[in-house]
Amino acid sequence: AQSVTQPDIHITVSEGASLELRCNYSYGATPYLFWYVQSPGQGLQLLLKYFSGDTLVQGIKGFEAELKRSQSSFNLRKPSVHWSDAAEYFCAVADNYGQNFVFGPGTRLSVLP
Amino acid sequence: DGGITQSPKYLFRKEGQNVTLSCEQNLNHDAMYWYRQDPGQGLRLIYYSQIVNDFQKGDIAEGYSVSREKKESFPLTVTSAQKNPTAFYLCASSIRDRVESGANVLTFGAGSRLTVL
Repeated sequence: AQSVTQPDIHITVSEGASLELRCNYSYGATPYLFWYVQSPGQGLQLLLKYFSGDTLVQGIKGFEAELKRSQSSFNLRKPSVHWSDAAEYFCAVADNYGQNFVFGPGTRLSVLP
Repeated sequence: DGGITQSPKYLFRKEGQNVTLSCEQNLNHDAMYWYRQDPGQGLRLIYYSQIVNDFQKGDIAEGYSVSREKKESFPLTVTSAQKNPTAFYLCASSIRDRVESGANVLTFGAGSRLTVL
């Protein structure tokens, strides 16, 4: 069965610092991979997705993620964090049919001024 | 603008009552989903529907019911059989990515928070 782990429950960074949020997945083949962001009391917004091809994926709001198959990881990065990036971030996987989504538990990001 | 509308935003329920959460989409998406979100547990799938008049149970369907009479609408009823219904409920819809065949992308509504008094 597919599974997703996000080892960090809560991360705090200073504004302007770089950010990396970790995501590890368990799946027999390379799944479809996603990062979503959720502001408090809101729905989830898609940041980026990986389906195939280049393992470095660019998303919205200056985010990128890199698939490392050998480590079964799909970490999210941003070179310089803005205060508006404070939110909860979810990594998700879907199976080969692009269905059966499994979400990680989420990482809450706090940004210090 | 196209999107998913969930209502109500906040809902309070007494023990033993059934409540229905509304989800409407104007994205012309075929598939619709209901997720439950609890702190620290991510999202768990309650029900999903790939086409009108058909739906499937997800991982935590007990105590919930749905209908899909129209493509645009996928209401969720939280019944009195659901033992711990206090949670944040998210509706989503999906369409196959036009570039990458076979891959769906989920679009979410803003959610409904249900509290049992």
